[in-house]
Amino acid sequence: QLQLQESGPGLIKPSETLSLTCSVSDDSFNSGIYYWGWIRQSPGKGLEWIGTLYYNGRTFYNPSLNSRATISVDTSRNHFSLRLNSVTAADTAVYYCARPKWFGDFPGLTAFDVWGQGAMVTVSS
Amino acid sequence: EIVLTQSPGTLSLSPGERAALSCRASESVYDNFLAWYQQKPGQAPRLLIHGASRRAPGVPDRFSGSGSGTDFTLTINRVEPEDFAVYYCQQYGSHPGTFGQGTKVEIK
Repeated sequence: QLQLQESGPGLIKPSETLSLTCSVSDDSFNSGIYYWGWIRQSPGKGLEWIGTLYYNGRTFYNPSLNSRATISVDTSRNHFSLRLNSVTAADTAVYYCARPKWFGDFPGLTAFDVWGQGAMVTVSS
Repeated sequence: EIVLTQSPGTLSLSPGERAALSCRASESVYDNFLAWYQQKPGQAPRLLIHGASRRAPGVPDRFSGSGSGTDFTLTINRVEPEDFAVYYCQQYGSHPGTFGQGTKVEIK
């Protein structure tokens, strides 16, 4: 059964780059067909979709992040990653990695059926 | 972007009662691509419903979703003690996908 686990620094300074990794427990990468996503949750903004990556390299991001987010995958290490640059206090949140399962008609739009436990990231000097 | 407004903010119920949670969209959700999640303290959200009315695998049949267009409802028949949690709706019909602010179902 698929399990996801986020890892990364819990505290970063304003203007730095947030970097998180999501470890994938099973052989999802072996088929060559996979989809992965990131969502965050903060008291102020609630749940917010960050982005989704498709197996063919296509990525889709929330425009509210102003092109600051990058999702990538390392199949040799069985993980995928999120980078968010130029962070501010508004980026303080719990960050979840998740598996897209049920897709809308337009690329990048999904409901997520498996989630990691979440990683708390605080942006503060 | 589509704004999802959930009501009520808090629902106080006794075990065995029926819960009806509302999710209203600022514009029509394309093809009713709407999901519901349950979140307990310290845990990640859990997918309950997708496509407005399709239960995810393993979800008890006391949970049901209905609605279309801009008005959607999650119903919990005979609330069980483990159902007290926060529930979120999410639309994935139009970019960007968005979530509602949540409804807390608490023990009366």
